[in-house]
Amino acid sequence: QKEVEQNSGPLSVPEGAIASLNCTYSDRGSQSFFWYRQYSGKSPELIMFIYSNGDKEDGRFTAQLNKASQYVSLLIRDSQPSDSATYLCAVRGPNTGRRALTFGSGTRLQVQP
Amino acid sequence: EADIYQTPRYLVIGTGKKITLECSQTMGHDKMYWYQQDPGMELHLIHYSYGVNSTEKGDLSSESTVSRIRTEHFPLTLESARPSHTSQYLCASSGGDRAVGANVLTFGAGSRLTVL
Repeated sequence: QKEVEQNSGPLSVPEGAIASLNCTYSDRGSQSFFWYRQYSGKSPELIMFIYSNGDKEDGRFTAQLNKASQYVSLLIRDSQPSDSATYLCAVRGPNTGRRALTFGSGTRLQVQP
Repeated sequence: EADIYQTPRYLVIGTGKKITLECSQTMGHDKMYWYQQDPGMELHLIHYSYGVNSTEKGDLSSESTVSRIRTEHFPLTLESARPSHTSQYLCASSGGDRAVGANVLTFGAGSRLTVL
């Protein structure tokens, strides 16, 4: 079982719709969770991170965390064609001495004009 | 402007050559990382460092080596490149105030290596 699992997609949504991206993780002791966006041929850039159960909103983006279900999601409201990219979920495990993140393989999002 | 820089961006080289991928950051971060990513695939951690003279191997076995003699500099070296080393290599760093997310990784633009 992979440590961080994402549906590879592509997830296709029309412009203006809500895109919902999901991620599950295997280590119940994982402490912090990150969403990165990666355009084709570019390096990942941080969208947002979340530590606590519940929702965290930043502009059009909302991250949702449910530690009991080991599930984290990213909602993108009013999706734009410029949101078309691969979205990477990343998790920091329970080993407090280690700051490196474990990444999922990403979900490719396509926003249709 | 504080940033993280990787050179070269693209490198095409023959089998058996020694190569060094450079990574420097001006953000004052103490932690630095190398990830390897094949097209359409996930990032795999190959090396990390929590400070000067501190380096550890990551999750993915790699024939590369790293050094951390200065806080801002974290080069990756392949002594004898092979076609199996063809990949994108991403350098990242993290640090700063725990309250604002000390685990947040900032990535460089990447070095795309092709070994013929």
